[in-house]
Amino acid sequence: SQQGEEDPQALSIQEGENATMNCSYKTSINNLQWYRQNSGRGLVHLILIRSNEREKHSGRLRVTLDTSKKSSSLLITASRAADTASYFCATDARRTTDSWGKLQFGAGTQVVVTP
Amino acid sequence: EAQVTQNPRYLITVTGKKLTVTCSQNMNHEYMSWYRQDPGLGLRQIYYSMNVEVTDKGDVPEGYKVSRKEKRNFPLILESPSPNQTSLYFCAGFLAGGYNEQFFGPGTRLTVL
Repeated sequence: SQQGEEDPQALSIQEGENATMNCSYKTSINNLQWYRQNSGRGLVHLILIRSNEREKHSGRLRVTLDTSKKSSSLLITASRAADTASYFCATDARRTTDSWGKLQFGAGTQVVVTP
Repeated sequence: EAQVTQNPRYLITVTGKKLTVTCSQNMNHEYMSWYRQDPGLGLRQIYYSMNVEVTDKGDVPEGYKVSRKEKRNFPLILESPSPNQTSLYFCAGFLAGGYNEQFFGPGTRLTVL
């Protein structure tokens, strides 16, 4: 079953605007990751936030994590046409470094950025 | 260049005809994994491997087999493909002791008629 659920399913914005998408999950996690997928291609890792972190930045990306609400958000600032892609959150529920952590992916948010 | 490669990238086959999708990585990853991606369902894990000769089932292993005889290769085998295995398949690798950040191959689009 899916652990992460992204919202919205689809998002259409203009270049220069910000894009925000949310991810909710069900069980305790070790970390949460965001991936991008260009149409029909492999996923590319964007950013990882650990369960003891609340916010993280990477370039134009900002990720927040609220473990009390079991939710995360990904903000893309000043979007560009090249940001058009599907974005997935993935949760790692691994408890110890000895146990292999299975990533659970959500169904994704499809983002279209028009020039 | 560090990468995960898959072959073939596209495959159309018929029900019951055994096929193998290869996956190879040059990043010395201990862990490798196979996923299938279907519309509205995200990625679901089929099998994973923690090292050579160590494999285990993921969430949707039925109808698939894997092997890990060498560290760099992790083929996915469909002994008797069926139409419900029509999907987009991804192989991924990652390092032990890290945070499970996965490096994905380009994908294999499989159609079973």
